[in-house]
Amino acid sequence: GQQVMQIPQYQHVQEGEDFTTYCNSSTTLSNIQWYKQRPGGHPVFLIQLVKSGEVKKQKRLTFQFGEAKKNSSLHITATQTTDVGTYFCADRRGGTDKLIFGTGTRLQVFP
Amino acid sequence: NAGVTQTPKFQVLKTGQSMTLQCAQDMNHEYMSWYRQDPGMGLRLIHYSVGAGITDQGEVPNGYNVSRSTTEDFPLRLLSAAPSQTSVYFCASSYSGQGDTDTQYFGPGTRLTVL
Repeated sequence: GQQVMQIPQYQHVQEGEDFTTYCNSSTTLSNIQWYKQRPGGHPVFLIQLVKSGEVKKQKRLTFQFGEAKKNSSLHITATQTTDVGTYFCADRRGGTDKLIFGTGTRLQVFP
Repeated sequence: NAGVTQTPKFQVLKTGQSMTLQCAQDMNHEYMSWYRQDPGMGLRLIHYSVGAGITDQGEVPNGYNVSRSTTEDFPLRLLSAAPSQTSVYFCASSYSGQGDTDTQYFGPGTRLTVL
């Protein structure tokens, strides 16, 4: 079956440093959604990417969808302690809301 | 709106016991789903429903049953609990599953331990 892998599994950064997590699939992705989960919390929707090569920005967060639609990335500029949490990508199957989640990247930010 | 609610928040079961995890949403969403989250494995889809009376299996359905008699409620039943079902369970809902952008709203989760 389809596997969606994320790297790295963990990342510790100093506040102010940048952070990037990568999402890779063995098959072509339909639509990519990104979620953030704070420690002890539930996943919260961040954004959806649909088109090949698409780039979207939300303040310090930049999301990219690969040209071949087999990978995606989330980049955070100048991390803050409020960015702490686990970031998940998820492949949203076309025409449905079945989500295949990636393994997640846990971000820790030291002040 | 309360959004997506789940009960209970925590539960401890003995092997072989059965129980039902409750999920309700007040947003009139057609699509509802159940996920389990285990360390290092992300979230895995157990069962989902595209509307009242319609359910289907996800990635890891064995040992779980669901039903959808109303739009609002989507309970998850564990028939005979096993230690491998120790996990955090999340319920989610979205409007239709056919829109260009359909945000999934997650409940707060139920932390289940099976001894």
